[in-house]
Amino acid sequence: AQSVTQLGSHVSVSEGALVLLRCNYSSSVPPYLFWYVQYPNQGLQLLLKYTSAATLVKGINGFEAEFKKSETSFHLTKPSAHMSDAAEYFCAVSENTGNQFYFGTGTSLTVIP
Amino acid sequence: DAGVIQSPRHEVTEMGQEVTLRCKPISGHDYLFWYRQTMMRGLELLIYFNNNVPIDDSGMPEDRFSAKMPNASFSTLKIQPSEPRDSAVYFCASSLWESGANVLTFGAGSRLTVL
Repeated sequence: AQSVTQLGSHVSVSEGALVLLRCNYSSSVPPYLFWYVQYPNQGLQLLLKYTSAATLVKGINGFEAEFKKSETSFHLTKPSAHMSDAAEYFCAVSENTGNQFYFGTGTSLTVIP
Repeated sequence: DAGVIQSPRHEVTEMGQEVTLRCKPISGHDYLFWYRQTMMRGLELLIYFNNNVPIDDSGMPEDRFSAKMPNASFSTLKIQPSEPRDSAVYFCASSLWESGANVLTFGAGSRLTVL
């Protein structure tokens, strides 16, 4: 079975600073990778996905993630944090059959004004 | 599209009562998933359906939990009898293959509190 590790359950950044949220996965075959964002009292929303095309994936709200096979990583970045980015972020992986999704434990992002 | 619609958004009940959570997936999506989210255990997959047929229910905690999908536009998750440890946010998600991947769209969730 797949597993997803998100390093750092809580990350704080200053407004305007770089956002870096880490995700590592275990897989013997190239998986599909996703980042979701969850705002308080809401469901998860898709930020971006990797499906074996370009390794640098751009998503909504200025976020992007880079698939690095050698490091089995899919870290999420944003050059400049905004107050509205404060939320919980989940990394997820699915195998190429695509029917089973494995979620990380989430990273809570706080943006300091 | 209205997205995945879940009801009720909040439910408070007493231990031993029956709870029914409802989900309307996005039209055209052929997969439906039920997840449970708690602080302690994070997101847990309970069960998923493909074309209304249950495919994997290995995540259903015990016999008190049951899920049905009588048609492509409706699913229920039932807990009978409910217990305080069932308190959680229950999410329904539907999915469609797009750009070579199965992509989940989540509902807003049903927050269940069992007293």
